[in-house]
Amino acid sequence: KQEVTQIPAALSVPEGENLVLNCSFTDSAIYNLQWFRQDPGKGLTSLLLIQSSQREQTSGRLNASLDKSSGRSTLYIAASQPGDSATYLCAVVDTNAGKSTFGDGTTLTVKP
Amino acid sequence: DGGITQSPKYLFRKEGQNVTLSCEQNLNHDAMYWYRQDPGQGLRLIYYSQIVNDFQKGDIAEGYSVSREKKESFPLTVTSAQKNPTAFYLCATGSGTGQQYFGPGTRLTVT
Repeated sequence: KQEVTQIPAALSVPEGENLVLNCSFTDSAIYNLQWFRQDPGKGLTSLLLIQSSQREQTSGRLNASLDKSSGRSTLYIAASQPGDSATYLCAVVDTNAGKSTFGDGTTLTVKP
Repeated sequence: DGGITQSPKYLFRKEGQNVTLSCEQNLNHDAMYWYRQDPGQGLRLIYYSQIVNDFQKGDIAEGYSVSREKKESFPLTVTSAQKNPTAFYLCATGSGTGQQYFGPGTRLTVT
């Protein structure tokens, strides 16, 4: 059974700092990996999708990498801003099952 | 206006009553999903459907039921058999690339 872990559970940084969020998974037979952002009481907003054949994806100040051999993905946020404060979740889609497994998320607070 | 609609946003029910949560999409996606989220936790898969008239149990299907009679709609019924139904419920669709798109969620409170 696929297990997805996100460490740390919470992170607080000053504005302007670069930071890395981690996502690890136990089964490398994944179809893709997706990073989401969730604001309190809201649904999930997709940030980046990495297909299993890809190594990384970039969107603006965000960069996500995928290393299937080590079972890890990282989300890099450059020059953090208070508006980046939210919970960030990663999800892996299992190739065989066709369904996703989510991590518990990392709650990020960026202080002005 | 494209997207996923979930209604209502807030729902209150008495213990012992069944309740149905609505999920409608106009993205023309074949796959649809229902997740449950509890405070401070990630999402857990309840049911999913890859095609009309077919659906599979997720990790926590007990006490829930679904139907998929139309491509656009995937309603979730929370039955009285669900022991802890109070939670935030999220509906999602899946594109051909495997990317998931989420609705705004329904917060269900059962007292």
